[in-house]
Amino acid sequence: SQTIHQWPATLVQPVGSPLSLECTVEGTSNPNLYWYRQAAGRGLQLLFYSVGIGQISSEVPQNLSASRPQDRQFILSSKKLLLSDSGFYLCAWSVGSSYNEQFFGPGTRLTVL
Amino acid sequence: AQKITQTQPGMFVQEKEAVTLDCTYDTSDPSYGLFWYKQPSSGEMIFLIYQGSYDQQNATEGRYSLNFQKARKSANLVISASQLGDSAMYFCAMSPGGFKTIFGAGTRLFVKA
Repeated sequence: SQTIHQWPATLVQPVGSPLSLECTVEGTSNPNLYWYRQAAGRGLQLLFYSVGIGQISSEVPQNLSASRPQDRQFILSSKKLLLSDSGFYLCAWSVGSSYNEQFFGPGTRLTVL
Repeated sequence: AQKITQTQPGMFVQEKEAVTLDCTYDTSDPSYGLFWYKQPSSGEMIFLIYQGSYDQQNATEGRYSLNFQKARKSANLVISASQLGDSAMYFCAMSPGGFKTIFGAGTRLFVKA
């Protein structure tokens, strides 16, 4: 069966510090991968998606970036965090067409102080 | 503009009763997918049900059914025989093609014993 891992689960970082969040998927090949951010009490905002190794599409211009160094690994990064980067970050995967359901990881709660 | 609207910030339902969570959408794409996800207090997003825009019948998954009215652009979630474990945030989402999925702001459901 397929599983998706995210780490860390919780992170507290000072403003201006770098960020690296990692997501890995097991049990499937060539998944579509996604990074979402959820502000407190709000819906999900798509940040990045990837349909293959090295292929990244950005939905929202900001100081975050994403990379996909391996088929089942998706990394969210920042060189300098802002207060507004605080939120709940969710990684998700799907296979096939865009109409297929997405499966989400447990999320990372990021607080920037 | 592509948009998902959930007009009920919070809903209460008595245990064992049915409840309908409203969702309307806006898209000019002829082909799209509609989804419902559940988010318990733990934070993970759980896929519940999917409806394709060309599906003639309403989707059902156990106690969940999707009341799809294409002309009205609505995709309401019906939960039958509510259980205490159904208390959570519920998000309606749409994939209008490509890999972008748009989420609504969510409805918080409270199930009373």
